[in-house]
Amino acid sequence: EAGVTQFPSHSVIEKGQTVTLRCDPISGHDNLYWYRRVMGKEIKFLLHFVKESKQDESGMPNNRFLAERTGGTYSTLKVQPAELEDSGVYFCASSQDEGLTGELFFGEGSRLTVL
Amino acid sequence: EDKVVQSPLSLVVHEGDTVTLNCSYEVTNFRSLLWYKQEKKAPTFLFMLTSSGIEKKSGRLSSILDKKELFSILNITATQTGDSAIYLCAVEVRGGSNYKLTFGKGTLLTVNP
Repeated sequence: EAGVTQFPSHSVIEKGQTVTLRCDPISGHDNLYWYRRVMGKEIKFLLHFVKESKQDESGMPNNRFLAERTGGTYSTLKVQPAELEDSGVYFCASSQDEGLTGELFFGEGSRLTVL
Repeated sequence: EDKVVQSPLSLVVHEGDTVTLNCSYEVTNFRSLLWYKQEKKAPTFLFMLTSSGIEKKSGRLSSILDKKELFSILNITATQTGDSAIYLCAVEVRGGSNYKLTFGKGTLLTVNP
């Protein structure tokens, strides 16, 4: 069974450009989460989808970040325009059960470097 | 603000040593505490703890939670080089109908031969 896959593995862009990260959760997992780790800090929650609906987007840093999950399958996270402080590793995770009664499966992360 | 603190941040040991990793937390609406191992990229699940005093074991790894003192430990006995990784502690918190993880910074464990 395929795990959570993320694309790209690493993206290097200049300040002011746009980047779109993609996450394909495990098939059948309704819950999809985005987390981010900036250098030297903890992994922090960004948002949570249940199917195509945003259940909780309290962790989104600002309106330069837009997450979508049309059709309730894969999700995209767009950063526009990117700033230097957006650099970090963006993790996607999925789970079958809400509230983590089951495991939360993480992808390998998409590293974003903004120059 | 919810907070999870792990210590030490980094640890270097030799094969065969036993290590104890610490995780303390201050959160509202605690639901569970989880340990993850991150070797190269994706954090992989180790344990989920919800009740105090019940040790969870998997091979050479074990973990226990103290909900009164608000901490957990992860023990690794007879360490091997393959145990080298970042060990992440996370607390699942509930806000209304929403659930999310609050992570610590992780402990980087290096096991030398």
